[in-house]
Amino acid sequence: RKEVEQDPGPFNVPEGATVAFNCTYSNSASQSFFWYRQDCRKEPKLLMSVYSSGNEDGRFTAQLNRASQYISLLIRDSKLSDSATYLCVVNSGGYQKVTFGTGTKLQVIP
Amino acid sequence: DVKVTQSSRYLVKRTGEKVFLECVQDMDHENMFWYRQDPGLGLRLIYFSYDVKMKEKGDIPEGYSVSREKKERFSLILESASTNQTSMYLCASSPSGQSNTGELFFGEGSRLTVL
Repeated sequence: RKEVEQDPGPFNVPEGATVAFNCTYSNSASQSFFWYRQDCRKEPKLLMSVYSSGNEDGRFTAQLNRASQYISLLIRDSKLSDSATYLCVVNSGGYQKVTFGTGTKLQVIP
Repeated sequence: DVKVTQSSRYLVKRTGEKVFLECVQDMDHENMFWYRQDPGLGLRLIYFSYDVKMKEKGDIPEGYSVSREKKERFSLILESASTNQTSMYLCASSPSGQSNTGELFFGEGSRLTVL
């Protein structure tokens, strides 16, 4: 089983739709969690950290479920500019224990 | 804004050549990293450094070496390039201590093709 697993997609959604991605992780000792966004042929950039209590940033909501060992990202009112690959990142302690998922591709269509 | 600059966006090299990938950051970050990104495999850590002249192996150090002679600069060296090292190479940096939020700041990447 991979340490961090994501559905690669692509998720093709119309503008204005709500879309959710999940990411599962295998190490129950994982300590911190992040969602990064990567545009085509560009570098990853932090979208948001994921806190135990869940957190929201505008149209984006991230949640953590420690019992089931997954994190989620919800995007409401999708925009064309949200089209990108979303990377799940899990830190199990120390720099060598930062694991990136392979990413979920989102395509928002007009 | 944090700026991480990688010297070359695209390189084409031949098998057996020595390859240098340079990375410079301007935010006085202590930690610097080299990753490679391949389809279906995600980002994998090659080496990282938490201080000048310090280096630690990541998950896939074989075939690579690094150099950190100055705080702002972290170089990745492929002593003898092979075709399986064709990849996107990403440099990243982060601060230490209380400034560290866990966020990594990436350069734009260097796409290396080894023929």
